[in-house]
Amino acid sequence: ETGVTQTPRHLVMGMTNKKSLKCEQHLGHNAMYWYKQSAKKPLELMFVYNFKEQTENNSVPSRFSPECPNSSHLFLHLHTLQPEDSALYLCASSLGQAITGELFFGEGSRLTVL
Amino acid sequence: AQSVTQLDSQVPVFEEAPVELRCNYSSSVSVYLFWYVQYPNQGLQLLLKYLSGSTLVESINGFEAEFNKSQTSFHLRKPSVHISDTAEYFCAVSETGTSGYSTLTFGKGTMLLVSP
Repeated sequence: ETGVTQTPRHLVMGMTNKKSLKCEQHLGHNAMYWYKQSAKKPLELMFVYNFKEQTENNSVPSRFSPECPNSSHLFLHLHTLQPEDSALYLCASSLGQAITGELFFGEGSRLTVL
Repeated sequence: AQSVTQLDSQVPVFEEAPVELRCNYSSSVSVYLFWYVQYPNQGLQLLLKYLSGSTLVESINGFEAEFNKSQTSFHLRKPSVHISDTAEYFCAVSETGTSGYSTLTFGKGTMLLVSP
């Protein structure tokens, strides 16, 4: 149990589907993150939320839509995805900013877009 | 924007042999540096970090890394590896975004493969 739980662990969807990834943390952290992990590439930061407010959107296409209803939950809504969006999506949380603190990661949601 | 370069995508090594995983970063300002480890089918976990003070930092499982400002490097080393050290290792540097909040920028990762 890492303290950060992601569901589903695996997801297969067609390009016209709408699906959502969920992330939940019970660590009392106030910052939450979405990262994309693709083979042979660095982890790509997608979104950052601090106290439920989005503070970073790293030029992510609009087919990815984040939602943070409270400091413990983070969603990534998916719509009209492309095959190149297939990747492992990692959620993380931290107490305060990441500059000196530790990020706690979930186990990831493996997404396959057909 | 800062960048992190991990020169080796894969490092095969025999059990009980020493290993060094290389990491270089680009930055003109003070940085904080991190090594994370990802075991198969798991998320990333913090292995060690350099914030200030001694340039040599250690983890609880025998890894160490040395911050070298002149060479902009933060290489990870272990004098004797175990099979259980097989994992992917990511070097990261902190970065302040346009919003003023800080995030981590990661390298591509180095897969450490330990064989008997």
